Amino acid sequence: GDSVTQMEGPVTLSEEAFLTINCTYTATGYPSLFWYVQYPGEGLQLLLKATKADDKGSNKGFEATYRKETTSFHLEKGSVQVSDSAVYFCALSDRYTGGFKTIFGAGTRLFVKA
Amino acid sequence: GAGVSQSPSNKVTEKGKDVELRCDPISGHTALYWYRQRLGQGLEFLIYFQGNSAPDKSGLPSDRFSAERTGESVSTLTIQRTQQEDSAVYLCASSLKVAGATGELFFGEGSRLTVL
Repeated sequence: GDSVTQMEGPVTLSEEAFLTINCTYTATGYPSLFWYVQYPGEGLQLLLKATKADDKGSNKGFEATYRKETTSFHLEKGSVQVSDSAVYFCALSDRYTGGFKTIFGAGTRLFVKA
Repeated sequence: GAGVSQSPSNKVTEKGKDVELRCDPISGHTALYWYRQRLGQGLEFLIYFQGNSAPDKSGLPSDRFSAERTGESVSTLTIQRTQQEDSAVYLCASSLKVAGATGELFFGEGSRLTVL
């Protein structure tokens, strides 16, 4: 079945450091790929998405490129801020029984130090 | 409402009691999902509704868990004879089912369940 694997955390960075959180997936169909973020004390919200191979999703300085050949969707940001401290979830959504089923990775907690 | 609404936001109960959690999705969203998030862990899929039918109940942990949905509206997740391992945040999400939709989920803030 479909699955998502992302790097274990926590990841601790200093402000302005470069961030990469790795995510790979397995899917039988042609899924859409997502990164969701959960800030402390808040609900999950969509950070960015890509719906087909070679698409790049971007938002708030974060980027991820849908790589079909490596089945990956790594999250990157050039210069992190303290306010980026959160848990990041990679997810895929595949067509399923008239709708979509979304499967999440285990989440990666990011701490950014001032 | 503007977003997905869940209630109660916080529930403390004694082992063996039944609890009911409610989710009110975004108006017009035909798909509704329940996930469980244990402390420090990822999201565990529980059940998915398309309209009021549940094509996938595979994630329900045991027969103590059940869920229903009225039309394309409110859903309730019921846990009978709660156990301590049921303690978690229960998240509800909804999404559109229209041509071209990409399966983006909109989450509620969750119901935190603590079983003593």
